[in-house]
Amino acid sequence: EPEVTQTPSHQVTQMGQEVILRCVPISNHLYFYWYRQILGQKVEFLVSFYNNEISEKSEIFDDQFSVERPDGSNFTLKIRSTKLEDSAMYFCASSGSARNQPQHFGDGTRLSIL
Amino acid sequence: GESVGLHLPTLSVQEGDNSIINCAYSNSASDYFIWYKQESGKGPQFIIDIRSNMDKRQGQRVTVLLNKTVKHLSLQIAATQPGDSAVYFCAENAGGTSYGKLTFGQGTILTVHP
Repeated sequence: EPEVTQTPSHQVTQMGQEVILRCVPISNHLYFYWYRQILGQKVEFLVSFYNNEISEKSEIFDDQFSVERPDGSNFTLKIRSTKLEDSAMYFCASSGSARNQPQHFGDGTRLSIL
Repeated sequence: GESVGLHLPTLSVQEGDNSIINCAYSNSASDYFIWYKQESGKGPQFIIDIRSNMDKRQGQRVTVLLNKTVKHLSLQIAATQPGDSAVYFCAENAGGTSYGKLTFGQGTILTVHP
């Protein structure tokens, strides 16, 4: 069964450094998403991406965040200057449609900011 | 505002029992709902979904019920097994101008005792 894959599984970074989280969505999906989950809290939406542009973003997704689909298979989340509060699990998801189709999630990248 | 909440943060059942996990949502514009299962160290795993034009949908051992009048969603798991132990999240999509953004509930921890 096709799945979303994310790398790395764990990323440790010094505060203020840039970090790039990588995702390979399911191959025939067209809609891509990033969510995050702070330890012990619920999953929070960050951004949706379609047709090479951001469709929707949350208030969490400020100027420090950016997303990119650099080629036909990868989808990346960049945090330009990390803060301690960026420590969380980051999940990538993809779906065949923006509505009425389930989003399938990867197993996440645990980001630890020191 | 948009929010999805759960009545019970934990649920403990015996193997073979039926489980019911509840979820309340507040956004009457939501038109698509998903239940996810999250095991430790994994991303949310799709279980079942339902559109707002339905009030019941069945899958393998799982049933989702939607009551739009009281904005309530439930997940029923028949003959619960130890492998069903996980955190269960409901998620809603607001439809309209939303491009797939899912709003998640806090989650219910299901523990199945052999």
